Amino acid sequence: AQSVTQLGSHVSVSEGALVLLRCNYSSSVPPYLFWYVQYPNQGLQLLLKYTTGATLVKGINGFEAEFKKSETSFHLTKPSAHMSDAAEYFCAVSRGGADGLTFGKGTHLIIQP
Amino acid sequence: GAVVSQHPSRVICKSGTSVKIECRSLDFQATTMFWYRQFPKKSLMLMATSNEGSKATYEQGVEKDKFLINHASLTLSTLTVTSAHPEDSSFYICSAQKTGTGGREQYFGPGTRLTVT
Repeated sequence: AQSVTQLGSHVSVSEGALVLLRCNYSSSVPPYLFWYVQYPNQGLQLLLKYTTGATLVKGINGFEAEFKKSETSFHLTKPSAHMSDAAEYFCAVSRGGADGLTFGKGTHLIIQP
Repeated sequence: GAVVSQHPSRVICKSGTSVKIECRSLDFQATTMFWYRQFPKKSLMLMATSNEGSKATYEQGVEKDKFLINHASLTLSTLTVTSAHPEDSSFYICSAQKTGTGGREQYFGPGTRLTVT
């Protein structure tokens, strides 16, 4: 079985500040890890993914995440927050293949002007 | 690109009726599609895995006779909510995997908001 824990249902940062959204996972097999962003009343957009290889993954919109196997973590960061980053962020895990995703509960990112 | 569409984007139906939601991969073939349900302020829950030409695989707790899934072609999967009730009101999102890519990424549709009155 797989599971994802996102610490903090809401995270608030000032514009220009560092964004850190936390994600921990559990998986019985080497995981594939994803971060998605969802804007109100819209579907999900892939920010970045880790499958194999380099553990520091760069995504769109300046986001990146680092896979740390020893900590079973895949935290999402962005050096400088922008107002347009305000959205819901979901961390997800899969076993790969034709396997559905297991999502965390999501973190609502609020950007303070 | 990898674009997935859903139709309709919003639907309101009366209790006891059935409603069909379509999920299409517009510019790629998808052997496997997935259906998720998202409750207000909650995460997405996988409902079922839809494989072209075969029966869908449902997650535990999902009623297969209530949520009928058909994946008749490599670009189309449909979800039919039968005898809908107010508790079926939700945001339904589909995703699709490109055929032959090892299944490492899913492309999501924009979602369908179902309201049952």
